[in-house]
Amino acid sequence: SAVISQKPSRDICQRGTSLTIQCQVDSQVTMMFWYRQQPGQSLTLIATANQGSEATYESGFVIDKFPISRPNLTFSTLTVSNMSPEDSSIYLCSVEGRAAMTYGYTFGSGTRLTVV
Amino acid sequence: GQQVMQIPQYQHVQEGEDFTTYCNSSTTLSNIQWYKQRPGGHPVFLIQLVKSGEVKKQKRLTFQFGEAKKNSSLHITATQTTDVGTYFCAGRSNYQLIWGAGTKLIIKP
Repeated sequence: SAVISQKPSRDICQRGTSLTIQCQVDSQVTMMFWYRQQPGQSLTLIATANQGSEATYESGFVIDKFPISRPNLTFSTLTVSNMSPEDSSIYLCSVEGRAAMTYGYTFGSGTRLTVV
Repeated sequence: GQQVMQIPQYQHVQEGEDFTTYCNSSTTLSNIQWYKQRPGGHPVFLIQLVKSGEVKKQKRLTFQFGEAKKNSSLHITATQTTDVGTYFCAGRSNYQLIWGAGTKLIIKP
């Protein structure tokens, strides 16, 4: 399965600022997925990022708040803009396994964001 | 909207006891995946079930997919401290992956 390097692992940010999270995959993948996970909760899909096109956002998430870049098939960034304490969460990137029937989804190690 | 209900939310067991978590979908699923998330970690893929009535085993873990492809279960026999974490099911329906709420396995001291 793919290996994903996600940075930063954690950050404490002031409200009103922005944070950019990076994910680097060790192989080329068509789609990358960005999730948010509140402590003790399940995963919520923010958006799907395809190389060369705009990301597709899920209901409740907008591009102005969570702009995504996907410059090539191995890299993506998610920016959390104009942060408020409600944005405090764990953010995870994910890719589908090379053989989806076997490998499922692989996740980055996550970014634990605290907004103060 | 499409939902996958997962119960229980928590299960406290003595080490050596069994553990089971259940997932039930409002719609028929094309497949269901199971993940484990250790405390402070990220979800790790365990297995995918595709066929109606499928049963798969991984050592002490037994995964089942219902005949109607709407429900699934994960059973752990004789839990060990290394089993601690949250277990998530994720059902695929109409190209969407719908996550259950997770069941947290807690080993009583």
